[in-house]
Amino acid sequence: AQSVTQPDIHITVSEGASLELRCNYSYGATPYLFWYVQSPGQGLQLLLKYFSGDTLVQGIKGFEAEFKRSQSSFNLRKPSVHWSDAAEYFCAVGAGEDTGFQKLVFGTGTRLLVSP
Amino acid sequence: DGGITQSPKYLFRKEGQNVTLSCEQNLNHDAMYWYRQDPGQGLRLIYYSQIVNDFQKGDIAEGYSVSREKKESFPLTVTSAQKNPTAFYLCASSRWGYEQYFGPGTRLTVT
Repeated sequence: AQSVTQPDIHITVSEGASLELRCNYSYGATPYLFWYVQSPGQGLQLLLKYFSGDTLVQGIKGFEAEFKRSQSSFNLRKPSVHWSDAAEYFCAVGAGEDTGFQKLVFGTGTRLLVSP
Repeated sequence: DGGITQSPKYLFRKEGQNVTLSCEQNLNHDAMYWYRQDPGQGLRLIYYSQIVNDFQKGDIAEGYSVSREKKESFPLTVTSAQKNPTAFYLCASSRWGYEQYFGPGTRLTVT
C-alpha cells in the first residue's frame, strides 16, 4: 500500500533563511505528488503538484519541489522564508490508477515555525 | 466567487446522536471527498464520490454515511456507531484526475 513519510514533525527556521521540508513516499508506479499548506483551524491550500514531466515544479508563494524517483522523495524548498510561512505542511501522494489517482494518502505533516 | 463551503464551522453534539456536516461546491467539479484530521495523524479519507448517485468507501468509512444527490453537494453523516467522532472534518472537490481543493473544515466535538 502507498504511504508518505514526513520525518520532521517540527522545524524552526529564521526569517530570511532557506527552507527544505522532506517527503518520502512509497508507491510502485509513478505517483501524483502534492504539497499542501494549512494554517491553524483552516482548510488545506495547494502549494504545488507533480503529475509528470519536469521534475522540478514551481508553486505558489515562492515554493518549489523536486521529484527524485531514485530516492522516492519530493522535498519542498523555499529560498527565503517569511514569517507568514509559519503553518503546517502536508505532502500527499495520489495513487491508484484504477481510481484516477484520486485516493490521496497524506503524510503526518511538518509544522514550520519561523523565528525573527 | 467559486469555492467550497462547509457548515457549520463548529459543531457540538451529545454522544449517541447522529450529526450531518454540510459540504457545497460551485466549482463544477465532478468528484467530492471527505477527510478526517486528527492531531499528529494527517488526513484520512472517509468517503469519495466520482459522480452523482455514486460513492465509494475510503480508508475509515465505518460509522459514517454519505449521499450525493446533487453534483454540488456531498453531506456527511457521523452516526452514533462512530466510536471517536471528535475531529476536524475536511471536504474537498476536484475534476476527476486532477488536484483536490479543500473547504475550510468543520470541527466536531462530541461529549
